[in-house]
Amino acid sequence: DAKTTQPPSMDCAEGRAANLPCNHSTISGNEYVYWYRQIHSQGPQYIIHGLKNNETNEMASLIITEDRKSSTLILPHATLRDTAVYYCIVRVATNSGAGSYQLTFGKGTKLSVIP
Amino acid sequence: DVKVTQSSRYLVKRTGEKVFLECVQDMDHENMFWYRQDPGLGLRLIYFSYDVKMKEKGDIPEGYSVSREKKERFSLILESASTNQTSMYLCASSFTGLAGLRIAKNIQYFGAGTRLSVL
Repeated sequence: DAKTTQPPSMDCAEGRAANLPCNHSTISGNEYVYWYRQIHSQGPQYIIHGLKNNETNEMASLIITEDRKSSTLILPHATLRDTAVYYCIVRVATNSGAGSYQLTFGKGTKLSVIP
Repeated sequence: DVKVTQSSRYLVKRTGEKVFLECVQDMDHENMFWYRQDPGLGLRLIYFSYDVKMKEKGDIPEGYSVSREKKERFSLILESASTNQTSMYLCASSFTGLAGLRIAKNIQYFGAGTRLSVL
């Protein structure tokens, strides 16, 4: 799996867009970008994933650069409930053995939404 | 919505006890996982299962075993609990996805976690 780099922490004002960057400069052509978040004392929650096109769902938007070396998760109108640790994970989507099932969560970005 | 339910939110056990952590999912997912989460170490995979009665070791299986007798249920067993097994335990499940393009297996749905204290 490609390594990812995220800032350790970010602040965002309530109601503003939160833009969380992720660098994955060694990503290969068959690897997808997945985003999860973990609110304090809860299990991680899947947010969104993408390959090369921008993606949007009811929770967030994912913008992947043309060279795929970085991406940005956008929460369009951050609320206090979006305060969490956000994880960017790069994974292949093939069924090549037992190891292909393991997700590796790094340290993520701690997002604090400020009232 | 997918629901992954862990039997207890908080558990306190004594050293040497046998501990069972239960996890049930309601979406007919093939894959189920047990992780532990510790401050500064992130999530670490203990065991996973990709089918009934099938299991695979993760990164830190020592001191643990698992059981998957039914598709919806995955149990984590601490044979003889020790203080270094005090941790937050997280269960997850995922769908395998279509043959040849298994994006879905990386979309894991997590339970709320069980915070286990071994005294």
